[in-house]
Amino acid sequence: EAQVTQNPRYLITVTGKKLTVTCSQNMNHEYMSWYRQDPGLGLRQIYYSMNVEVTDKGDVPEGYKVSRKEKRNFPLILESPSPNQTSLYFCASSLSGLAGEKLFFGSGTQLSVL
Amino acid sequence: TQLLEQSPQFLSIQEGENLTVYCNSSSVFSSLQWYRQEPGEGPVLLVTVVTGGEVKKLKRLTFQFGDARKDSSLHITAAQPGDTGLYLCAGAGLNYGQNFVFGPGTRLSVLP
Repeated sequence: EAQVTQNPRYLITVTGKKLTVTCSQNMNHEYMSWYRQDPGLGLRQIYYSMNVEVTDKGDVPEGYKVSRKEKRNFPLILESPSPNQTSLYFCASSLSGLAGEKLFFGSGTQLSVL
Repeated sequence: TQLLEQSPQFLSIQEGENLTVYCNSSSVFSSLQWYRQEPGEGPVLLVTVVTGGEVKKLKRLTFQFGDARKDSSLHITAAQPGDTGLYLCAGAGLNYGQNFVFGPGTRLSVLP
């Protein structure tokens, strides 16, 4: 089954404790992206990747890192989480990132930073 | 930065009623997508519209892209409880590789 898998689904942590949210897709997609979703603000893009070793900042990249060492994986790293990073996070992928392509989303990771 | 606005923000209706939700921007988009998101899940694509003035139908859902490619509407006929969810519009930029821009969404509740 074609899917985007995120882990974990829920995460509670404390300020400053490094964490990684994993994302994997099994569709051989070149394009992958991370979003955060906050009430009233919709989905905002954090980082995206057009291919292996190619990443670029989205609209809200501060406080986040990503890497794309393999085509299928695109982890999101919070080196020193802060409470304002409490949010619902989604990973998404599409075939090549061209305008109008279907985005496939994971089921989300609810992060709480205390 | 391209911005998308959606209205209304919240909508609660009875089963069987019709409704329209709107997605507006001051920017031109090369294409626009509508997604539905249910609680605890990621958004799922409903439709992509590409041409100005384009109308697409998906069962009881009708999507329209504005002539100037700056706005779109989603009309649901005879809404059912299964239509409940968060409806998001997303615009793709004019340049290759440009980010998708999402609106804040319309949260629809259809009561039985």
